[in-house]
Amino acid sequence: DGGITQSPKYLFRKEGQNVTLSCEQNLNHDAMYWYRQDPGQGLRLIYYSQIVNDFQKGDIAEGYSVSREKKESFPLTVTSAQKNPTAFYLCASSPPVKLNTEAFFGQGTRLTVV
Amino acid sequence: QKEVEQNSGPLSVPEGAIASLNCTYSDRGSQSFFWYRQYSGKSPELIMSIYSNGDKEDGRFTAQLNKASQYVSLLIRDSQPSDSATYLCAVNEPGYSTLTFGKGTMLLVSP
Repeated sequence: DGGITQSPKYLFRKEGQNVTLSCEQNLNHDAMYWYRQDPGQGLRLIYYSQIVNDFQKGDIAEGYSVSREKKESFPLTVTSAQKNPTAFYLCASSPPVKLNTEAFFGQGTRLTVV
Repeated sequence: QKEVEQNSGPLSVPEGAIASLNCTYSDRGSQSFFWYRQYSGKSPELIMSIYSNGDKEDGRFTAQLNKASQYVSLLIRDSQPSDSATYLCAVNEPGYSTLTFGKGTMLLVSP
């Protein structure tokens, strides 16, 4: 089955900890994205990557880091510098940049600070 | 700052009625427009895309685009309780692959 797999589905973080959210896709898409969603809010872009070994900050990159060592993988690390990390995190991917750039989402990771 | 605006709702319609969801966007250079459906606690699912002015129909769904007015809408005919969800409007950032999302409109279809 082709798709985007995020893990874990639920994640609990203690204060001061770094945690890493996994995102893997087998759609052969070039571009990958991380969004954050808070209750009653739309999706806000954290980071995105259009090719391997390259990524760009989105609107709310502070306190987050990413890597793109393989086309299939785009992990997101939530660092201790992110003061309010409790949210629903969504990974997405899309074909190469062109006019019709549809994005497809994984099932999400719900992160809670305890 | 690029913006995508949607009425947060909830929009309540009876089963079988037409639901009309609206979205405006600020960047006149935007070229691609998408509607996603998101059930509570789940990830967004792409249901419609539209790229040129006019209407695009797919089953019970019709997307309408008016670039001059910077307006895109989604009509759902014969609404079903299973259509109850939040509908997110997304607009591409010209020259990039990123999308800007509205906050979504919650639709409630009552039996």
